[in-house]
Amino acid sequence: DAKTTQPNSMESNEEEPVHLPCNHSTISGTDYIHWYRQLPSQGPEYVIHGLTSNVNNRMASLAIAEDRKSSTLILHRATLRDAAVYYCILRYTHFGNEKLTFGTGTRLTIIP
Amino acid sequence: DVKVTQSSRYLVKRTGEKVFLECVQDMDHENMFWYRQDPGLGLRLIYFSYDVKMKEKGDIPEGYSVSREKKERFSLILESASTNQTSMYLCASSPGLAGSSTDTQYFGPGTRLTVL
Repeated sequence: DAKTTQPNSMESNEEEPVHLPCNHSTISGTDYIHWYRQLPSQGPEYVIHGLTSNVNNRMASLAIAEDRKSSTLILHRATLRDAAVYYCILRYTHFGNEKLTFGTGTRLTIIP
Repeated sequence: DVKVTQSSRYLVKRTGEKVFLECVQDMDHENMFWYRQDPGLGLRLIYFSYDVKMKEKGDIPEGYSVSREKKERFSLILESASTNQTSMYLCASSPGLAGSSTDTQYFGPGTRLTVL
């Protein structure tokens, strides 16, 4: 499975945008980029995913580099509730491959 | 909303005991998963199931077994608990949209198991 590399931790001020980077230099053409986050004392939750084009939803935006070797999760205006561990995951989507391989993620701290 | 529930938030067992961790989902999902989470190691997949009575080994199945007799319920079994199985155990389910990029996983709150 292709691997992702994320910083261990990041800090951001409340109400400012946050850019969480992810490198995936060995990504294949059929790998989707998924992001999950894990709030304290909870299980992970889905945030967003994409293949080639940038994606937006109510939680975040996903910016994907043109060569797809990196991506950035963007939280437009961080709140204290966004403090969590964020996981960037590559997923080869085909029947029989429903697994997700989680790394250790980026621990995001929001400073009031 | 999808709901995945786990039988206990905290559990303390003794070495050698047989331990059952139960997981129930209420959205008629095809796939169910068991992970364990340890500091510095992230989440690691133990077993998953894509249908009733079907199971597949994940990355770290040793020392564990699973049971899925009904679609909504997936049990993780520690036949003889050991101290190195002290961990946070997370259950998840997904719709099972074969080949779909939107087959996201929904997680339960976790069970923190301590084996003494």
